[in-house]
Amino acid sequence: DAKTTQPNSMESNEEEPVHLPCNHSTISGTDYIHWYRQLPSQGPEYVIHGLTSNVNNRMASLAIAEDRKSSTLILHRATLRDAAVYYCILRDRKSGATNKLIFGTGTLLAVQP
Amino acid sequence: DVKVTQSSRYLVKRTGEKVFLECVQDMDHENMFWYRQDPGLGLRLIYFSYDVKMKEKGDIPEGYSVSREKKERFSLILESASTNQTSMYLCASSKGGTSNYEQYFGPGTRLTVT
Repeated sequence: DAKTTQPNSMESNEEEPVHLPCNHSTISGTDYIHWYRQLPSQGPEYVIHGLTSNVNNRMASLAIAEDRKSSTLILHRATLRDAAVYYCILRDRKSGATNKLIFGTGTLLAVQP
Repeated sequence: DVKVTQSSRYLVKRTGEKVFLECVQDMDHENMFWYRQDPGLGLRLIYFSYDVKMKEKGDIPEGYSVSREKKERFSLILESASTNQTSMYLCASSKGGTSNYEQYFGPGTRLTVT
């Protein structure tokens, strides 16, 4: 599985946008880019995923570079409840039933009031 | 609301005990997973199951076994608990088929082996 690289930690102010970067220079053409987050004392939760085009949902936006070697998760207005560890994960769409997630250590996002 | 539940939030066991961690999902998902989470190592996959009575080893299966007798329930078994199995254990489930269905996680069981 291709590897992702994320900063260990980031800080943001409440109600400001947050851009969480992820590098995946060895991404293959069949890899989807997934983002999960883990709030304190909880299991991870799905945030968003995409392949080539930028994606939006109620939680966040995902901007994918044209060469797909990097992506950015965008929280449009950070709240204190967005403080969490954010994981960027590549998933091979050919893996069929074996759709395991390979988590790195993620980015710890701190949100200041 | 979709839900994955785990039998205990906190568990303390002694070395050598047999330990059962239970996970139940109410979404009729085909796939179920067991991960462990340790500081600095992230989440690592122990075992997964893509159908009743079917199982496959993940990245760190040593010292663990699993059981899936019913679609909604996936059990992780530590045959003889050891101190290096002290960890946070997370169960997840997802639809079957393609690799792009999201996984839903339970709240985790923090296991301490003394």
